[in-house]
Amino acid sequence: QVQLVESGGGVVRPGRSLRLSCAASEFTFNTYAMHWVRQAPGKGLDWLALISYDGTNKYYADSVKGRFTISRDNSKNTLYLQMNSLRAEDTAAYYCTKYNYGFHAFDIWGQGTMVTVSS
Amino acid sequence: QSALTQPPSASGSPGQSVTISCTGTSSDVGGYNYVSWYQQHPGKAPKLMIYEVSKRPSGVPDRFSGSKSGNTASLTVSGLQAEDEADYYCSSYAGRNSYVFGTGTKVTVL
Repeated sequence: QVQLVESGGGVVRPGRSLRLSCAASEFTFNTYAMHWVRQAPGKGLDWLALISYDGTNKYYADSVKGRFTISRDNSKNTLYLQMNSLRAEDTAAYYCTKYNYGFHAFDIWGQGTMVTVSS
Repeated sequence: QSALTQPPSASGSPGQSVTISCTGTSSDVGGYNYVSWYQQHPGKAPKLMIYEVSKRPSGVPDRFSGSKSGNTASLTVSGLQAEDEADYYCSSYAGRNSYVFGTGTKVTVL
């Protein structure tokens, strides 16, 4: 079935970097915009970044602009989030999500990968 | 971009209805009919319940309905069932390729 599977989370020290991956399956990945959303423990959802279907256009929330980079490899059906200069407040579950322009909504979500920034 | 405002909690007995509000601004909720609602059970990923203010994806029970007036959107769950106990989040397009989520509402079935 249509699926998104994130990986790459873990424990990282403040100031270090981490790259998350999101593997897509059972849908035409290269025709959909993709997003990253995070959720700090016990908190709400927080939109982070958007990449167009072909990777040409990228947009970010102010909170991560300049530190996080979204990218994709359509030949591998994979979405990425490069996170640099990590801070304690970046500790969260990170979700990749498929945007359905017909619905103007996030219709498919991965299970999330946990990132903990701690010394 | 500030989060949309939702009440922290809402509750109802089985069979009753509960309505959750989602208040934004004319730059997000009030400016576009691109409000969606998501259900999240503990430890699980969010699930799309309502899109474009009031439309339901295939498979979502018709007990779930959405509406909007001005800068405030609402989700109503009618005929509450035990499995409806979850966190609910609204979301809106906020212009210039940005998106915003609500603060979240925990629905308890008494």
